[in-house]
Amino acid sequence: DAGVIQSPRHEVTEMGQEVTLRCKPISGHDYLFWYRQTMMRGLELLIYFNNNVPIDDSGMPEDRFSAKMPNASFSTLKIQPSEPRDSAVYFCASSFLQGGDEQYFGPGTRLTVT
Amino acid sequence: EDQVTQSPEALRLQEGESSSLNCSYTVSGLRGLFWYRQDPGKGPEFLFTLYSAGEEKEKERLKATLTKKESFLHITAPKPEDSATYLCAVQAGTGGSYIPTFGRGTSLIVHP
Repeated sequence: DAGVIQSPRHEVTEMGQEVTLRCKPISGHDYLFWYRQTMMRGLELLIYFNNNVPIDDSGMPEDRFSAKMPNASFSTLKIQPSEPRDSAVYFCASSFLQGGDEQYFGPGTRLTVT
Repeated sequence: EDQVTQSPEALRLQEGESSSLNCSYTVSGLRGLFWYRQDPGKGPEFLFTLYSAGEEKEKERLKATLTKKESFLHITAPKPEDSATYLCAVQAGTGGSYIPTFGRGTSLIVHP
């Protein structure tokens, strides 16, 4: 398996623009997680899905952020409108075991909002 | 609120010089404690899950232990390739939601 795939790897955009990050989880994994990592706050969970259904989105910072998982092999994290404080590395992870044990992380998308 | 504190923030070792990383936690009903390794520019890589006090797990030069208040990651005779940031995370066993809380990590550099 190729592991968790994320695209793009780098994104530079201007404030106010819409940003869409994409993730393909490992085949057969029932859980999908979106994280954000910054120097100031470390690694934070934004939202996670089980069998394509959002289970907990309490980590989503505000309404500008939204996430979808239309099928078992694809998820998106959208920021609209983007702001400079959204600059971070966004990771997608997937897991097979119940409860999210042993998560497999993707390479991340480095987002810079100017 | 679940809290995870890792120490030290940074650690420099000479090759072969054994040491330990600490992860102190406060959580309502620990379901699991996780250790990850993160290399620069990459996503975290899973190392261990510990579920109960007294549990120990080993992988090559790494050994993770767990008590009711903290976990240690012992590194025996480290090599330069062990250089990375090591992240600790805890997961509460209540509420049915499996949101992990991560520590800020310990940046380890092993000099040849």
